[in-house]
Amino acid sequence: NAGVTQTPKFQVLKTGQSMTLQCAQDMNHEYMSWYRQDPGMGLRLIHYSVGAGITDQGEVPNGYNVSRSTTEDFPLRLLSAAPSQTSVYFCASRPDRGLVYGYTFGSGTRLTVV
Amino acid sequence: LAKTTQPISMDSYEGQEVNITCSHNNIATNDYITWYQQFPSQGPRFIIQGYKTKVTNEVASLFIPADRKSSTLSLPRVSLSDTAVYYCLVGDMEGNFNKFYFGSGTKLNVKP
Repeated sequence: NAGVTQTPKFQVLKTGQSMTLQCAQDMNHEYMSWYRQDPGMGLRLIHYSVGAGITDQGEVPNGYNVSRSTTEDFPLRLLSAAPSQTSVYFCASRPDRGLVYGYTFGSGTRLTVV
Repeated sequence: LAKTTQPISMDSYEGQEVNITCSHNNIATNDYITWYQQFPSQGPRFIIQGYKTKVTNEVASLFIPADRKSSTLSLPRVSLSDTAVYYCLVGDMEGNFNKFYFGSGTKLNVKP
């Protein structure tokens, strides 16, 4: 099925551990983003990419790294997990200058750092 | 980037029309207005997008006055399944247009 696929759906980490959240889309979208959503809050932009090899920071980039080696994949790396990074993480993609399509979001990864 | 302001929550009853207004006083010439819907434990879903006047699709209508400093999402005859959080976003479609920021949104509660 076409769309944005995020793995894993759930993850528990210990403080200081590192991990990579995976995001893949099969719609040939140029633009991809990572957001985090804390309980009862809106989404905050972590990093985004406008195409393979091009990434930039959003509102809350500290503690996260991204890379975009292919159009399809946009992994998010947590360098040294902290309890403050407990959140739901959403990956999203959109077509190039898609004026009427907006973003397609994945189903999210629920991360708990203990 | 233009900041948006929305009511935190709204209540409605099934069958009513619901209008959610978003304020964006600092909207720039190249900015578009986009609305998303989010159900619990799901990612946001694109509803509608517009630049000026009125846009309508099968789900909603979007009204944008001439000064574009606000916009109103209109949901006709809501049902219980429309209970969700609605986000208003403003961003340009060139340059930094990938930097769409979500606020806290408006939590719509539809009652029977």
